[in-house]
Parts: sequence; structure tokens; C-alpha cells
Amino acid sequence: ETGVTQTPRHLVMGMTNKKSLKCEQHLGHNAMYWYKQSAKKPLELMFVYNFKEQTENNSVPSRFSPECPNSSHLFLHLHTLQPEDSALYLCASSQGLAGAYGAQYFGPGTRLTVL
Amino acid sequence: TQLLEQSPQFLSIQEGENLTVYCNSSSVFSSLQWYRQEPGEGPVLLVTVVTGGEVKKLKRLTFQFGDARKDSSLHITAAQPGDTGLYLCAGERGGGGADGLTFGKGTHLIIQP
Repeated sequence: ETGVTQTPRHLVMGMTNKKSLKCEQHLGHNAMYWYKQSAKKPLELMFVYNFKEQTENNSVPSRFSPECPNSSHLFLHLHTLQPEDSALYLCASSQGLAGAYGAQYFGPGTRLTVL
Repeated sequence: TQLLEQSPQFLSIQEGENLTVYCNSSSVFSSLQWYRQEPGEGPVLLVTVVTGGEVKKLKRLTFQFGDARKDSSLHITAAQPGDTGLYLCAGERGGGGADGLTFGKGTHLIIQP
């Protein structure tokens, strides 16, 4: 596997379910990100991790809980989601924050549908 | 909140035509990136521009960063069906902040054979 991988690619869940999204990067990068992409809206940055430490949380509701056990893996734990949380969730990585974020490499995304 | 406005929102043209899409803001960015996203995939970085007035070429694609680093354009010459996709611009404020990238809503481009 190369680049940034995400699983699952598609997920349908009820509002009372608990699920997790997984992201893995094989690029040796130190920073990882979660973005939300909804129709008719710009890509929204949710969380940023640099060397496993969370450096950014853009006022994301607590029903989204990130976890970064090491620089290569990133999880997004989901619980009691709402239908408006349905979106494409993208993971990305970059070499470092280095003042500016630099080139980010995106995974293919998880298409989430909340019923 | 910074805002990157991309125009047009949708564009459908015939193969072989030329086109330009725009990315505008009232804010200054330390750098600006262009991505292309195809259905079912994540965005793929095309280019990063960092200097005001900078022009970069990638085969038939020409990217320009405005002199004041508030806007950018992407020009495609002799468009091909393979150019079809969602073109996103994203700006970085830099300066040691952890604000990440600010994305525009994108331009949906369809090149008809």
C-alpha cells in the first residue's frame, strides 16, 4: 500500500450507532488531518495532529472523537451522529506543519450516511 | 473567517477549448495550492504557488498567483476529457499558525468529448 488509505470507503449508520473511521499513511509524514466535505460547502478542517499531538480542533462537536496512536494512524470515532453529519470524510497527511502546512496528501475518503 | 471564492462554480465545455477558473479572496495568503478531485477520490495536489505574481506551468495547465497574493487563476489550454473534475484552491496563512488550509467550494469542470 502506498500513500494515504482510508477504511471503510462507505459507511451507513443509524443515529444511535458507534463506528470508527480509520486512516493510515505510508509516506513517513508527521502531521495528519481530518476534513469534512459536504455538498455545496468548502472542505472543512476538523482536527490536526502533529507528531501524535492534537494541535487543532475547529469547534467540532464532541460526537466526533479523534485518536492518533502514532504518526501513521488516525482514527475518527463516531457516536450519536445526526443526519446532517452525512458527508465525505477525508484524511490527509503532510511532512510537517513548519509554519505553513505545505503539501497535503489526501486519502480517498469515507462516504458516511447517517440515517 | 477567511473566504476563498471560486468561479465559475460549474463549467462544461467541449474538448479542445481553453478555459480559466478563478480563486479570489480579500485576505492575503502565504501560499496557495490547487487540487483536482475526481469522483470517489480525495483531492490531489497539482501545484503550490508562493510568490506574488508567480506563474507555474504543468503541461497544459498554467497557474498564476496574484501580485498581492489574494487571488489565483488556473488556465487550461486545449482541454481534454481527462481534465474533468472538481478543482479546488486552498490558501495557507502561514506565519507559524496552526490554522490549516482554507478551501474554496471548487469549480466543477466537465470536458465533453
